[in-house]
Amino acid sequence: LAKTTQPISMDSYEGQEVNITCSHNNIATNDYITWYQQFPSQGPRFIIQGYKTKVTNEVASLFIPADRKSSTLSLPRVSLSDTAVYYCLVGETGGGNKLTFGTGTQLKVEL
Amino acid sequence: DAGVIQSPRHEVTEMGQEVTLRCKPISGHNSLFWYRQTMMRGLELLIYFNNNVPIDDSGMPEDRFSAKMPNASFSTLKIQPSEPRDSAVYFCASSLRPGYHEAFFGQGTRLTVV
Repeated sequence: LAKTTQPISMDSYEGQEVNITCSHNNIATNDYITWYQQFPSQGPRFIIQGYKTKVTNEVASLFIPADRKSSTLSLPRVSLSDTAVYYCLVGETGGGNKLTFGTGTQLKVEL
Repeated sequence: DAGVIQSPRHEVTEMGQEVTLRCKPISGHNSLFWYRQTMMRGLELLIYFNNNVPIDDSGMPEDRFSAKMPNASFSTLKIQPSEPRDSAVYFCASSLRPGYHEAFFGQGTRLTVV
């Protein structure tokens, strides 16, 4: 399993764009990159998944450079309700299914 | 679908007692995961099942912990005997199929062992 490294915490203000970068230098050819969000007293929630280049959905965008050794979760125009812990996971989608979470990034959004 | 359902939501028990946590995955999902979350250790994967079969239980801390999945709609995590250091929030999650990384989590069971 590829090890991931994320900043422990980030601060932002409402209306700003937030970019959280995850390093995964040992990512394997078959690995996908998945991001989860966790609010206090709730279980994690899937946000987005990608393999290369850019993926966008109604919640976020995921940017993955050509070497795939890192990825960036982009949250446009954050609000107070985006305050949460964000986890980056890397793993193969076929065969094994070991969803292992790292320490995550605590994002705090203020007025 | 109501999502992943866990029971009880809160459990307070005395050290040495047996504790059973329950989980009902989303109908049609073939993979089920049990996690434990604490401030010190974060979110730890304890065990996961594919098609009701335990695949990897390397995260189960000790023999006091056991998990079963007798059918596709029910799983249990049992701790016997419980210890104060088992106090944590236990999450169950399910995903559509093995290798599918979009997992849906339950609300968790907050276990306190005194």
